[in-house]
Amino acid sequence: EAQVTQNPRYLITVTGKKLTVTCSQNMNHEYMSWYRQDPGLGLRQIYYSMNVEVTDKGDVPEGYKVSRKEKRNFPLILESPSPNQTSLYFCASSLGRGRPDTQYFGPGTRLTVL
Amino acid sequence: QKEVEQDPGPLSVPEGAIVSLNCTYSNSAFQYFMWYRQYSRKGPELLMYTYSSGNKEDGRFTAQVDKSSKYISLFIRDSQPSDSATYLCAFFSGGYNKLIFGAGTRLAVHP
Repeated sequence: EAQVTQNPRYLITVTGKKLTVTCSQNMNHEYMSWYRQDPGLGLRQIYYSMNVEVTDKGDVPEGYKVSRKEKRNFPLILESPSPNQTSLYFCASSLGRGRPDTQYFGPGTRLTVL
Repeated sequence: QKEVEQDPGPLSVPEGAIVSLNCTYSNSAFQYFMWYRQYSRKGPELLMYTYSSGNKEDGRFTAQVDKSSKYISLFIRDSQPSDSATYLCAFFSGGYNKLIFGAGTRLAVHP
């Protein structure tokens, strides 16, 4: 079954404690991205990756890091989380950047930063 | 002016009603017009997409695009309780190479 998985699904942490949210896809997709979803603001792209070792900033990259060492994995790193990063996070993958019609989303990670 | 406007609702309708969900946009460069459905505690899933003005049907769902008015709609016929979800419009252009999402409309279909 084609899918994007994320872990953990729920996380409560404290300000400044480094955390990583993992993302993995089994479709051999080249393009992967991270979004955050906030009430009234919709989905906003944080970072994206066009292929292994190729990453770039999206619309709201401040306070986040990513890496793409393998095609299937695209972890999101918060080095020093702050309360304004409390949000619902989604990982997504697609065949290519210009193929939004092939995009799959993960189930989401609800993060609370106290 | 926001690039995409979508009424957040909530919209509550009885089972069997026709539902109309709408978005307006300002960027005439958008090429893909898309609708996602998001159930509670799940990720968005692509429901329908189209490239051009006009209508596209898929079962009980019809997507409509009016490029001259910069307005897109999703119609749901014979709505069912299982249609209760948040519906997100999304737009894509080759120039931006990214999806721009609306904020989503929450729909509740009650038996």
